[in-house]
Amino acid sequence: TQLLEQSPQFLSIQEGENLTVYCNSSSVFSSLQWYRQEPGEGPVLLVTVVTGGEVKKLKRLTFQFGDARKDSSLHITAAQTGDTGLYLCAGARSSNYQLIWGAGTKLIIKP
Amino acid sequence: EAGVVQSPRYKIIEKKQPVAFWCNPISGHNTLYWYRQNLGQGPELLIRYENEEAVDDSQLPKDRFSAERLKGVDSTLKIQPAELGDSAVYLCASSPSGNPYEQYFGPGTRLTVT
Repeated sequence: TQLLEQSPQFLSIQEGENLTVYCNSSSVFSSLQWYRQEPGEGPVLLVTVVTGGEVKKLKRLTFQFGDARKDSSLHITAAQTGDTGLYLCAGARSSNYQLIWGAGTKLIIKP
Repeated sequence: EAGVVQSPRYKIIEKKQPVAFWCNPISGHNTLYWYRQNLGQGPELLIRYENEEAVDDSQLPKDRFSAERLKGVDSTLKIQPAELGDSAVYLCASSPSGNPYEQYFGPGTRLTVT
């Protein structure tokens, strides 16, 4: 059973379009992280959200942590081909310092 | 600053053979992780080290997997003997003291067991 559900599993859109991907759980996390992973590479940390309702922006990427700290979303505005990759979310539990990982959303931006 | 270094990048072995992976974390990072990532899945923690001590190895299949971090810097992960189901990408990550959730990953070793 996946404790963190990411949706959609796969998304293919045209360059310039907007998109949102989701990370949902029934568990509360002390913080949540988003990573991007490109083929043949390890995940790269994009952002950490800590406070319920928190919104963080990274250029065209907007990350939001749910009020109850159980879910998160990533919105990309005017997607570019360089945004292509696997987007992973990972929830942190302060009790054991372990990250709980989602299975990822594979995003393809077509030129 | 150099990132996390892993070698080899790719390894193909026959089942029942041994295999070892090496990781050099970011300088000054006391915490080191080994993960396994299957295709289409997120990383799965195998073991976490604080300096040279393995503080979480609950997910490590100890019948065939072993790991060491003798001087609290480099680490090796070994599988002996390998099974077909061990085919995956093995990722090493490190994090600075006091911030276990800020993890920096290496490029991984893609293992294929035939």
